Amino acid sequence: GENVEQHPSTLSVQEGDSAVIKCTYSDSASNYFPWYKQELGKRPQLIIDIRSNVGEKKDQRIAVTLNKTAKHFSLHITETQPEDSAVYFCAKRGNTPLVFGKGTRLSVIA
Amino acid sequence: NAGVTQTPKFRVLKTGQSMTLLCAQDMNHEYMYWYRQDPGMGLRLIHYSVGEGTTAKGEVPDGYNVSRLKKQNFLLGLESAAPSQTSVYFCASNSLGSTDTQYFGPGTRLTVL
Repeated sequence: GENVEQHPSTLSVQEGDSAVIKCTYSDSASNYFPWYKQELGKRPQLIIDIRSNVGEKKDQRIAVTLNKTAKHFSLHITETQPEDSAVYFCAKRGNTPLVFGKGTRLSVIA
Repeated sequence: NAGVTQTPKFRVLKTGQSMTLLCAQDMNHEYMYWYRQDPGMGLRLIHYSVGEGTTAKGEVPDGYNVSRLKKQNFLLGLESAAPSQTSVYFCASNSLGSTDTQYFGPGTRLTVL
């Protein structure tokens, strides 16, 4: 019940297209779901998060959706730009420390 | 406000040597964590602390020890380094709430020969 499954592991999109990354979990205690972006050689940085009492949250070109019943949450990036190229990690937290997915390497092709 | 800092940034060890990684935060956070990051494995939790004087094991604690003698510092020790401990180590911290943002340090790249 501790793992977070993240798909896909790699994703290539044309500049201007949308990108979607999905994560699934199995426990009912998780109530916080952040997404981190990690550029090459840098630290992970929070880009958006969602709490279990909310179904969707948007911040400019980035949105996160949460389906508590199905136990999955997704990151949506619209109008992708080359600077969106990075590794993205989903994570979940409830009664235990953050558990991270294995990451998605997003490449935006100009 | 420096956030989360880590010392050193890089280190090369020989098998069997020992070393300590230092993490410091100036945000008065209660919780602190040590992760290792390996290619294709994401971020795996080594040890964590929920307050000064407390520590707990994470997913991959073997071969590591930690101490939290001061609230702002969290030390990660390798008593006898092994090549399998070659990795990038990240420290992180957050305040008490379970939905509070977790901030990461810049990382330490460790190579064990």
